[in-house]
Amino acid sequence: KNQVEQSPQSLIILEGKNCTLQCNYTVSPFSNLRWYKQDTGRGPVSLTIMTFSENTKSNGRYTATLDADTKQSSLHITASQLSDSASYICVVSPNTGGFKTIFGAGTRLFVKA
Amino acid sequence: NAGVTQTPKFRVLKTGQSMTLLCAQDMNHEYMYWYRQDPGMGLRLIHYSVGEGTTAKGEVPDGYNVSRLKKQNFLLGLESAAPSQTSVYFCASSYSTGTGENIQYFGAGTRLSVL
Repeated sequence: KNQVEQSPQSLIILEGKNCTLQCNYTVSPFSNLRWYKQDTGRGPVSLTIMTFSENTKSNGRYTATLDADTKQSSLHITASQLSDSASYICVVSPNTGGFKTIFGAGTRLFVKA
Repeated sequence: NAGVTQTPKFRVLKTGQSMTLLCAQDMNHEYMYWYRQDPGMGLRLIHYSVGEGTTAKGEVPDGYNVSRLKKQNFLLGLESAAPSQTSVYFCASSYSTGTGENIQYFGAGTRLSVL
């Protein structure tokens, strides 16, 4: 069964610190992997998208990496800000055509002053 | 440019009641989706549409119906609400970049409680 698992479930860090969120998937083959940010009470917003041939993609202080051999992705947040407090969701699209996307349950990040 | 707009934002229903959730997008996207988000779980696809007048079942379609009479609108209906349908519902729309990326844009969600 295609799955996307994220860790940790939640994380608390101090403002200004870096952190890394993990995503392990069993989807294979896959078309692309995306990271979304979801603020409380809002819909998810795309941060990065990577195809299976890409290793890294940056969006400001957010850097996503992908290791297709180990089926792992990570999202690194540099110099965290209070506004980074949100859920971060890993999403994998199987390479089967159609519109199936598999969402991870997300990591809830709390950035404290 | 409002993006994806969902109405209502909140709703409380009694078991057996019916309702329709409305999603509107002003980005001229071909594809539209309805998801539900439950605690501890990833978003799950209910139904989707690849164009005006067409709909298809997603992962969890039972108990829901949809219609896409106009390109910009995608309606989600609950004919007889059940407590198991208590959830946050998200609508999304997308366009294809031609490389299969299919970037989705989400609405703010509708929080539904069924008592």
